[in-house]
Amino acid sequence: AQKVTQAQTEISVVEKEDVTLDCVYETRDTTYYLFWYKQPPSGELVFLIRRNSFDEQNEISGRYSWNFQKSTSSFNFTITASQVVDSAVYFCALSEVTIQGAQKLVFGQGTRLTINP
Amino acid sequence: KAGVTQTPRYLIKTRGQQVTLSCSPISGHRSVSWYQQTPGQGLQFLFEYFSETQRNKGNFPGRFSGRQFSNSRSEMNVSTLELGDSALYLCASSLVGPLGEQYFGPGTRLTVT
Repeated sequence: AQKVTQAQTEISVVEKEDVTLDCVYETRDTTYYLFWYKQPPSGELVFLIRRNSFDEQNEISGRYSWNFQKSTSSFNFTITASQVVDSAVYFCALSEVTIQGAQKLVFGQGTRLTINP
Repeated sequence: KAGVTQTPRYLIKTRGQQVTLSCSPISGHRSVSWYQQTPGQGLQFLFEYFSETQRNKGNFPGRFSGRQFSNSRSEMNVSTLELGDSALYLCASSLVGPLGEQYFGPGTRLTVT
């Protein structure tokens, strides 16, 4: 079965520091998708990125960047020059397609990121 | 464009009762997925509806059910509530399904006493 591990339960940094959130996954599928979602205190998850297993190019979006390495089964997320508004719980997720053909997401336990002013 | 709305936002029920939660997706989205979030189990996928049909299902007992209406609005029902059903229930809408970009609602916080 699919598994996503976010070993960092909580991270606290001072504003303007760079921070990396780790995500390690396990899957037997050759085709899969990886995601990052952000959950601010308001509760709703916010989609950040989706990456398919055939695209190992790193992605940068403003202060956010993602490093996908199939060799280590990792999909890490870096925030550069962090801001207080980045404080949230961040979830990494992996697609799963069951034997019956059902599609779903398997989430990691989340990393609570606190940016202190 | 209006986001995903969920009602009610908070709910307190007693063990053994049943509850219905509602979700209105973003206009044009036909896929609605439901998730349960608890401190112990984290975020878990419940099921997904697409064009009024349940298309995907997670590993939850039959007490958890849902439906989707022709306007894509979805309801989730939990019967014979247990203390362990206390959770934040999140609804997400999407153009394509759980493996696409999903837009989440603020959730319904259910407390079972």
